[in-house]
Amino acid sequence: AQTVTQSQPEMSVQEAETVTLSCTYDTSESNYYLFWYKQPPSRQMILVIRQEAYKQQNATENRFSVNFQKAAKSFSLKISDSQLGDTAMYFCAFMPQDGSGSRLTFGEGTQLTVNP
Amino acid sequence: GAVVSQHPSRVICKSGTSVKIECRSLDFQATTMFWYRQFPKKSLMLMATSNEGSKATYEQGVEKDKFLINHASLTLSTLTVTSAHPEDSSFYICSARQGNNSPLHFGNGTRLTVT
Repeated sequence: AQTVTQSQPEMSVQEAETVTLSCTYDTSESNYYLFWYKQPPSRQMILVIRQEAYKQQNATENRFSVNFQKAAKSFSLKISDSQLGDTAMYFCAFMPQDGSGSRLTFGEGTQLTVNP
Repeated sequence: GAVVSQHPSRVICKSGTSVKIECRSLDFQATTMFWYRQFPKKSLMLMATSNEGSKATYEQGVEKDKFLINHASLTLSTLTVTSAHPEDSSFYICSARQGNNSPLHFGNGTRLTVT
């Protein structure tokens, strides 16, 4: 079974600054995907970024980037130039690449608040 | 992009009644849909995996007779909470994917309140 751990229940950052959210995971799988999802107050789950474990290059999406350390089983999210609209709960998630079910395992979440 | 529609967004029902929640993939065929439950300020907890044309697979601890899941077509899955009790009050979210290892797309969720 996989586990995903987010050790920061809450974080805050000033607008325009950079913040990093931590995530570690435990698995015996060799092929898998990692995700960061954002859940704003509307409760809609929004995919922020996705990383394939076999890719060494860290994924980036505009202001969002990850630091993927496979050996350390670490998958942190960096948000640059934080905006007020980034305020949300952020979930790290793991999905094995075995095609058997694509079940996502979520971390407990980090509530990020961007202050003006 | 892929859109998943979940209906209703909010529902209030009385104890003992049943309520049905629909999850539709609007512009793609979803071979698999997932149902989650989320408590306030908590993570999403997978309840069951629904495959079109077959019985749902429930996670340990989830009562299959209480949470009935039907995936009758490639674009629709339903979750029926039977004989609802106040402790069933929660936020329920569905997600859908087109094929193995395809990205998951989430519905907007349903807030169920049982009085």
